[in-house]
Amino acid sequence: DTAVSQTPKYLVTQMGNDKSIKCEQNLGHDTMYWYKQDSKKFLKIMFSYNNKELIINETVPNRFSPKSPDKAHLNLHINSLELGDSAVYFCASSQGVGGTSTDTQYFGPGTRLTVL
Amino acid sequence: AQSVTQPDIHITVSEGASLELRCNYSYGATPYLFWYVQSPGQGLQLLLKYFSGDTLVQGIKGFEAEFKRSQSSFNLRKPSVHWSDAAEYFCAVARDSGYALNFGKGTSLLVTP
Repeated sequence: DTAVSQTPKYLVTQMGNDKSIKCEQNLGHDTMYWYKQDSKKFLKIMFSYNNKELIINETVPNRFSPKSPDKAHLNLHINSLELGDSAVYFCASSQGVGGTSTDTQYFGPGTRLTVL
Repeated sequence: AQSVTQPDIHITVSEGASLELRCNYSYGATPYLFWYVQSPGQGLQLLLKYFSGDTLVQGIKGFEAEFKRSQSSFNLRKPSVHWSDAAEYFCAVARDSGYALNFGKGTSLLVTP
């Protein structure tokens, strides 16, 4: 059973399009995250949700909008895609207790987004 | 703000040789530190973590790490490297509020025969 799954695995699209990436976790965790890994493999937090509540919203363009319909899902919608959005996007989840991320985060396999 | 530095971008070791990957952190209090591994085309997998207590932490796949407060370091070690250890290794620190990890820029490990 896949603990954290993402769809699609690969996404190739044109500039200006709108796209979504879906994430689901079956671990019963309360906290979910989106990270962006750039071409130099640097990983940076974008958003984190705890019990469907937005906790962290880094300096990410407002073209990026996360949506958490329930605790097991955290989707990422991106409007008006730009070349610079090309990256690998990782979803993760953790139990998320105590207000800090001290417990293990489980990562999905990533979604490689290519904007042409 | 909590941050980590991985001074080595690339490291090459021979199979069977020992390995040490460096990680330095910047943090006022006791940090929560992690090492993750990313195999090519894969997500990240936790190798080990340090919260408190024994400063030598054992992880999966034969890895260990030692927390040294005086040096602000959390170096990852393995006594004998296998070809399958070739991957990207990330050191990370948990933020003290809010849910997120701050990652270092990673060290790419190449294992030669």
